[in-house]
Amino acid sequence: RKEVEQDPGPFNVPEGATVAFNCTYSNSASQSFFWYRQDCRKEPKLLMSVYSSGNEDGRFTAQLNRASQYISLLIRDSKLSDSATYLCVAHTGGFKTIFGAGTRLFVKA
Amino acid sequence: DAGVIQSPRHEVTEMGQEVTLRCKPISGHNSLFWYRQTMMRGLELLIYFNNNVPIDDSGMPEDRFSAKMPNASFSTLKIQPSEPRDSAVYFCASTLGLEGEKLFFGSGTQLSVL
Repeated sequence: RKEVEQDPGPFNVPEGATVAFNCTYSNSASQSFFWYRQDCRKEPKLLMSVYSSGNEDGRFTAQLNRASQYISLLIRDSKLSDSATYLCVAHTGGFKTIFGAGTRLFVKA
Repeated sequence: DAGVIQSPRHEVTEMGQEVTLRCKPISGHNSLFWYRQTMMRGLELLIYFNNNVPIDDSGMPEDRFSAKMPNASFSTLKIQPSEPRDSAVYFCASTLGLEGEKLFFGSGTQLSVL
């Protein structure tokens, strides 16, 4: 079983739609969690951190459920520019950072 | 801010040849990571260093793979001998090394082994 698992998608949504991605992690010792965004043929870049209390950054909301070992990302009012692969990340002690395989999102006009 | 610098950007080689990938982390960062990305397996952690010391190399697929970090500003990932299944994008990333710090990635090296 992979340490971090995501639905690979792809998710095809129209502009303005709300879309949610889910991610599960297997290592209960994981300390920190993140969502990264990766554009085609580019390197991954940090989108946002994920906290137990949940956090919001504009149209993006991230949630963490430690009991279920589950992370989510919600994107509201999708834009064409949101089309990318979204990577879920778990960070265990000792700086080990594990990425999920990614969820592909296509936003259509 | 130069960011993480990787070289070469593209490498095409023949099976059996030695391949060396290079990485210069961001100045002041003390943790460095090597990842490999393929369509089938996603982004896999190969090895990471903290203060130039290898901490976890359990992701290195075989003895053909080796990595070094002789100083704080330089790391190499070597494949010898290379095989077609090693074809992938290899990313280097660095971070300050504090808990919860984000990773900064280089642009990657696209490796093709024929």
